[in-house]
Amino acid sequence: DADVTQTPRNRITKTGKRIMLECSQTKGHDRMYWYRQDPGLGLRLIYYSFDVKDINKGEISDGYSVSRQAQAKFSLSLESAIPNQTALYFCATSLGGQGANEQFFGPGTRLTVL
Amino acid sequence: KNQVEQSPQSLIILEGKNCTLQCNYTVSPFSNLRWYKQDTGRGPVSLTIMTFSENTKSNGRYTATLDADTKQSSLHITASQLSDSASYICVVSANSNDYKLSFGAGTTVTVRA
Repeated sequence: DADVTQTPRNRITKTGKRIMLECSQTKGHDRMYWYRQDPGLGLRLIYYSFDVKDINKGEISDGYSVSRQAQAKFSLSLESAIPNQTALYFCATSLGGQGANEQFFGPGTRLTVL
Repeated sequence: KNQVEQSPQSLIILEGKNCTLQCNYTVSPFSNLRWYKQDTGRGPVSLTIMTFSENTKSNGRYTATLDADTKQSSLHITASQLSDSASYICVVSANSNDYKLSFGAGTTVTVRA
């Protein structure tokens, strides 16, 4: 009964292809985030959304776009994938206000761009 | 430069032994520090949270300490088990209401029988 789910869990694609990673949550949280994790580095924020009408760029948004289809759904797109986007991608959620920084993570999507 | 540095990068211990992981941070101001456990193929899961007024927090065999003056934290694992094999990530927040988190790169712990 995972609270935050991500699909697909693994994906191999080729340079130049468009790819979408999806995230769904049943926690009822307003805030959702997309991070990437690379070996030897801490998680880095790509995009975040405080509600359906609010989308914000994180520290490494170039080459990515997002869509918040509903409170429970937040998808990440790579319009034209490149090899240095090979990474582990995590979706996370949190409450707003107090407790905003306790984030709950999905299981991750391992993306390989050839 | 990363504002959260963890050491060692990795370590191997025998089942039943103890180990201590270190986290040094430069994040300022400081609100709280969390230790997360990330199993292989899973997302990070919070183990402990400490605010600046707390200097120790336990969760079963995991004990975290915090020295806000020196900006250092440690995570001690007692009587390690095979299931403790994971990456442990130190995460620091400057504001309890803020979404912005500073992540360490993690320490990979391998417990061997």
